[in-house]
Amino acid sequence: GAGVSQSPSNKVTEKGKDVELRCDPISGHTALYWYRQRLGQGLEFLIYFQGNSAPDKSGLPSDRFSAERTGESVSTLTIQRTQQEDSAVYLCASSLMQGRQPQHFGDGTRLSIL
Amino acid sequence: GENVEQHPSTLSVQEGDSAVIKCTYSDSASNYFPWYKQELGKGPQLIIDIRSNVGEKKDQRIAVTLNKTAKHFSLHITETQPEDSAVYFCAASTGANSKLTFGKGITLSVRP
Repeated sequence: GAGVSQSPSNKVTEKGKDVELRCDPISGHTALYWYRQRLGQGLEFLIYFQGNSAPDKSGLPSDRFSAERTGESVSTLTIQRTQQEDSAVYLCASSLMQGRQPQHFGDGTRLSIL
Repeated sequence: GENVEQHPSTLSVQEGDSAVIKCTYSDSASNYFPWYKQELGKGPQLIIDIRSNVGEKKDQRIAVTLNKTAKHFSLHITETQPEDSAVYFCAASTGANSKLTFGKGITLSVRP
């Protein structure tokens, strides 16, 4: 597709379970970003990748959160031992390269922790 | 780190009127300022952006102005239409690693 694709679009899981969220960036975009959006709030930066490396992980809330990227393409964000406060929309964006704007966003994964 | 504040949090205008949304930022090193529109259940969509070497940019009914001295930038929408109703976010970036710092968003309602 032409845009950033995220899956699943919705995820409901029980507290304590692990979840994986997937992001397919725009083809050819080497920079990839993850943000979190809590209900009624702005977007919070989590982590970004340039290629397969993550130079800035400063936004990850705790060691339960991790992310990886392979083949300079798909990225997965993993949340272990989910907590209710992890409920949010997780958004992925990509740009041509680090330092090059703009960032183009997917429609996000709405995560609900019961 | 950077802090972006957005005011007001809600704005209601009559169709055909203009709407102005203001943001302030704290980091004088910020040099890129995008505006995003977010509709319910969708991801943010870039509508206009401005870099620090420019004071104003226009695209049809939308314009953005930047005051680097005062560290604020504004989104101007003229001839508003009901389909302009959405949440609008401003953001700022220093460009060093390109991560965006977002304001909390404003809900714009355009009354028919």
